[in-house]
Amino acid sequence: GQQVMQIPQYQHVQEGEDFTTYCNSSTTLSNIQWYKQRPGGHPVFLIQLVKSGEVKKQKRLTFQFGEAKKNSSLHITATQTTDVGTYFCAGRGTSYDKVIFGPGTSLSVIP
Amino acid sequence: GAGVSQSPRYKVTKRGQDVALRCDPISGHVSLYWYRQALGQGPEFLTYFNYEAQQDKSGLPNDRFSAERPEGSISTLTIQRTEQRDSAMYRCASSLERASSYNEQFFGPGTRLTVL
Repeated sequence: GQQVMQIPQYQHVQEGEDFTTYCNSSTTLSNIQWYKQRPGGHPVFLIQLVKSGEVKKQKRLTFQFGEAKKNSSLHITATQTTDVGTYFCAGRGTSYDKVIFGPGTSLSVIP
Repeated sequence: GAGVSQSPRYKVTKRGQDVALRCDPISGHVSLYWYRQALGQGPEFLTYFNYEAQQDKSGLPNDRFSAERPEGSISTLTIQRTEQRDSAMYRCASSLERASSYNEQFFGPGTRLTVL
């Protein structure tokens, strides 16, 4: 079955440093979504990527969808303490498939 | 309501008892999903509905788990004869329309289930 993997599992950065998390699927995806979960909170949608090679930006966050639609990345420029949380990618094989979440990357920001 | 609500927020039960977890999605949302999330892990798919139809239940661990959404709105996840390994956070999410380009999932606060 479809599997979604993420690396790294944990990342500790100094405030102001950049951060990147990578997501890889065992199968081609129709779309990929990214969610952020703060400690003690629930996952909150950040963005959805649909097109091969798509790049989207949200302020300091840059999201990419690979050309083969099997991998994605989230890059945060100049991290802030408000970026703390776990970032999940979630992939769907086809428009009619269930959504499979990755295990997440937990980001800690040292002030 | 303004968001997805779940009840109860916390449930402590004894092994062997049945539990029913409720999810009230955002009004008008077609799709409803159930996930289980262990500490430090991503949401694990259990099942999902479009309107009242259960589209995929492949993630339900065994036949003690069942879910329904009889009127296409509120959904109930039932766990029969609970076991300690069922202890987890159970999350519900809804989205406006599944097979479209706009299927952002809105998550509820979850139900923390503890089986003693």
